[in-house]
Amino acid sequence: GNSVTQMEGPVTLSEEAFLTINCTYTATGYPSLFWYVQYPGEGLQLLLKATKADDKGSNKGFEATYRKETTSFHLEKGSVQVSDSAVYFCALSGNTPLVFGKGTRLSVIA
Amino acid sequence: SQTIHQWPATLVQPVGSPLSLECTVEGTSNPNLYWYRQAAGRGLQLLFYSVGIGQISSEVPQNLSASRPQDRQFILSSKKLLLSDSGFYLCAWVRGGQGNTEAFFGQGTRLTVV
Repeated sequence: GNSVTQMEGPVTLSEEAFLTINCTYTATGYPSLFWYVQYPGEGLQLLLKATKADDKGSNKGFEATYRKETTSFHLEKGSVQVSDSAVYFCALSGNTPLVFGKGTRLSVIA
Repeated sequence: SQTIHQWPATLVQPVGSPLSLECTVEGTSNPNLYWYRQAAGRGLQLLFYSVGIGQISSEVPQNLSASRPQDRQFILSSKKLLLSDSGFYLCAWVRGGQGNTEAFFGQGTRLTVV
């Protein structure tokens, strides 16, 4: 079945550092890919998405490119801020209900 | 616009007590509704989903059950809570067709079973 694997955290970075959170997927067909963010004590919010190969999703300085050849959707940001501290979830949708990775906790320190 | 409400926000219940968490959606009809549980170190686990009134699919055997008594209402229940039921429960409304699904989440319920 469909599955998502993302790098385990926690990830701790200094402010203005470069961020990469790896995500790879297994799916039949052509799924859509998502990154969700969860701030402390809250539900999940959609951060960005890509619906087909080579699409780049972007929002709030975050980017991720749908790479079909490597089945990946890595999240990147050039300069993180303390306010980016949260848990990030990679997800896919296809023939089955929305499937999430286990989440990666990011802590950004000033 | 569409919104999703979930309550209560926090709940502390003794072992063996019943549970009822409610989720409602506004601004859409016939939504696909989901219950997820987020436990420490285990990420987001899909518990139940429903594509219509009275239609429930269970993804993982649990001490929990779900019901869809109305089009925009989704309830998560238990007759007797276990310590292992503690966690953060999230209701989600999912829209879109195959390959283009998008989820909108409630604020979550932090359940602590003591």
